[in-house]
Amino acid sequence: ETGVTQTPRHLVMGMTNKKSLKCEQHLGHNAMYWYKQSAKKPLELMFVYSLEERVENNSVPSRFSPECPNSSHLFLHLHTLQPEDSALYLCASSRWTGGLTDTQYFGPGTRLTVL
Amino acid sequence: AQKVTQAQTEISVVEKEDVTLDCVYETRDTTYYLFWYKQPPSGELVFLIRRNSFDEQNEISGRYSWNFQKSTSSFNFTITASQVVDSAVYFCALSLIQGAQKLVFGQGTRLTINP
Repeated sequence: ETGVTQTPRHLVMGMTNKKSLKCEQHLGHNAMYWYKQSAKKPLELMFVYSLEERVENNSVPSRFSPECPNSSHLFLHLHTLQPEDSALYLCASSRWTGGLTDTQYFGPGTRLTVL
Repeated sequence: AQKVTQAQTEISVVEKEDVTLDCVYETRDTTYYLFWYKQPPSGELVFLIRRNSFDEQNEISGRYSWNFQKSTSSFNFTITASQVVDSAVYFCALSLIQGAQKLVFGQGTRLTINP
């Protein structure tokens, strides 16, 4: 595998389900990100992890719970979602050194539908 | 705060025409990056180019060229001799070089190249 991979690519879930999105990067980066892309809004940053520590949480509801067990893997745990949470969820990774940002590379996304 | 505006929501041209996608940005910081990403129907955001605020040189890569003008806070993208494979949504984005690892995206321009 190369680049950034995401699984599953498509997910349909009911509002009472619990599911997880997985992201893996093969680029040797040390920062990872979750973005939400819905039809009517620009891309929204949800979470940022640098060196496996969460450094940003953009007022995301608690029904979204991120986890970064190591610098190559990032998860987004989902529970009791709402229909308005249906969107494309994109994962990205980058290098982050000494407080300087770098180019973010994106995965193919998970298309989530909440019924 | 930073802001990116892509005023063109949709553009449709016939193959082999040249097309320019506009991007205007706002930031009070003097050190920043500007990016263009391409999002084909598959969903993945594909990195195209990064420019830093110190370098106003225009860049050409094959049929793609970018015009960065700090005086007008613009970073426009031109595709010469467009092809059907160029059909996608194109996003302009900005991030600060230091500090917050946050990409601020424009709304995107949907480009359709008709045969």
